[in-house]
Amino acid sequence: AQSVTQLDSHVSVSEGTPVLLRCNYSSSYSPSLFWYVQHPNKGLQLLLKYTSAATLVKGINGFEAEFKKSETSFHLTKPSAHMSDAAEYFCVVSDPGGYQKVTFGIGTKLQVIP
Amino acid sequence: NAGVTQTPKFRVLKTGQSMTLLCAQDMNHEYMYWYRQDPGMGLRLIHYSVGEGTTAKGEVPDGYNVSRLKKQNFLLGLESAAPSQTSVYFCASSSFGQGSSGANVLTFGAGSRLTVL
Repeated sequence: AQSVTQLDSHVSVSEGTPVLLRCNYSSSYSPSLFWYVQHPNKGLQLLLKYTSAATLVKGINGFEAEFKKSETSFHLTKPSAHMSDAAEYFCVVSDPGGYQKVTFGIGTKLQVIP
Repeated sequence: NAGVTQTPKFRVLKTGQSMTLLCAQDMNHEYMYWYRQDPGMGLRLIHYSVGEGTTAKGEVPDGYNVSRLKKQNFLLGLESAAPSQTSVYFCASSSFGQGSSGANVLTFGAGSRLTVL
């Protein structure tokens, strides 16, 4: 069985300060991990993905995430927040092999304060 | 480059009414999915399809039916709507199956907001 836990339902940062969105996962396999972003009244868009290559993954809009197997974590970071980063972010885990379901976290809403 | 298109974007139903949500993708993806999004629950898979003419149940299939008569279209039906089906519905498609070693990347539609009174 697989699961994903997003440790914060809401995160608030000031514009120009670092962003940290936390995600822990559980998987019986070597999973693929993703972060998606959802802007208000929009669909979800892929930010980045980890697929057992480099453990530090760079995504769009300056975001990156580091896969840490020992900590079963895949936290999302950005050095400097922009107003346009205000959105909801979803951590996703997908086990390999067969048609196992993709599991979404409950989401973290990021607020950016001017 | 439309990607995944969902219609309608908004709909209000009365309890017991039926309706169909349409999802269309122009990326020649084999796999298509219907999710519902509810506050505090993330996205939950309703049904999915691994190819034209095939469908399968997801995590929360009760009260919904689907059809995939054409590769590019995936329809989600509610035969008798209930207030518990008030939600935002997202269609997605991918070129790999869920959980395959191909690092399944989902392309989402913009969503359909359904309210059942």
